[in-house]
Amino acid sequence: DAKTTQPNSMESNEEEPVHLPCNHSTISGTDYIHWYRQLPSQGPEYVIHGLTSNVNNRMASLAIAEDRKSSTLILHRATLRDAAVYYCILRAPGGGFKTIFGAGTRLFVKA
Amino acid sequence: EAEVAQSPRYKITEKSQAVAFWCDPISGHATLYWYRQILGQGPELLVQFQDESVVDDSQLPKDRFSAERLKGVDSTLKIQPAELGDSAMYLCASSSRTGKGNEQFFGPGTRLTVL
Repeated sequence: DAKTTQPNSMESNEEEPVHLPCNHSTISGTDYIHWYRQLPSQGPEYVIHGLTSNVNNRMASLAIAEDRKSSTLILHRATLRDAAVYYCILRAPGGGFKTIFGAGTRLFVKA
Repeated sequence: EAEVAQSPRYKITEKSQAVAFWCDPISGHATLYWYRQILGQGPELLVQFQDESVVDDSQLPKDRFSAERLKGVDSTLKIQPAELGDSAMYLCASSSRTGKGNEQFFGPGTRLTVL
């Protein structure tokens, strides 16, 4: 199963952009890259996903490297409510597209 | 807005006892997932259903854990007997179809403490 590597934690100032990196060097050509985040005492929530092209939605942007071995989740203006654990995961084929979470990146946002 | 419902939210039990968790997915979602999340770690998939059928239970400790989704709607996860190492958050999620690109919607979870 393809794995992802993320920094354990990152810190950002409020109102500033945040770039959360993810390495997935063993990604296969058919794996989608998903990002979820988990606020304290809540279940994870979907943020964004992509395959090859960069993606934008109301929550964030996803930049995918040309070789697809890494990606970056971009929060354009961090707020205190963005403090959470961010998970970069690959939807791997087999077993009904199994979702494998790593430990994620804990984002701290300073006022 | 539709949500995944789980109950109970908290459960304290003694080891060797039986416990059960219930999940009601978003209406119309064919795929249902049960995850276990140990404190400080990411969620680990235990079992995945497509309608009433299990499509992946490779990480489910089948000697003590069981899961069912009899009518393809709500689901129950059972542990019998519970062990100290089962203390964790149990999360249920659902999605509209089993695809690489579709999002999963998570419930609030059941926090289990085994004494």
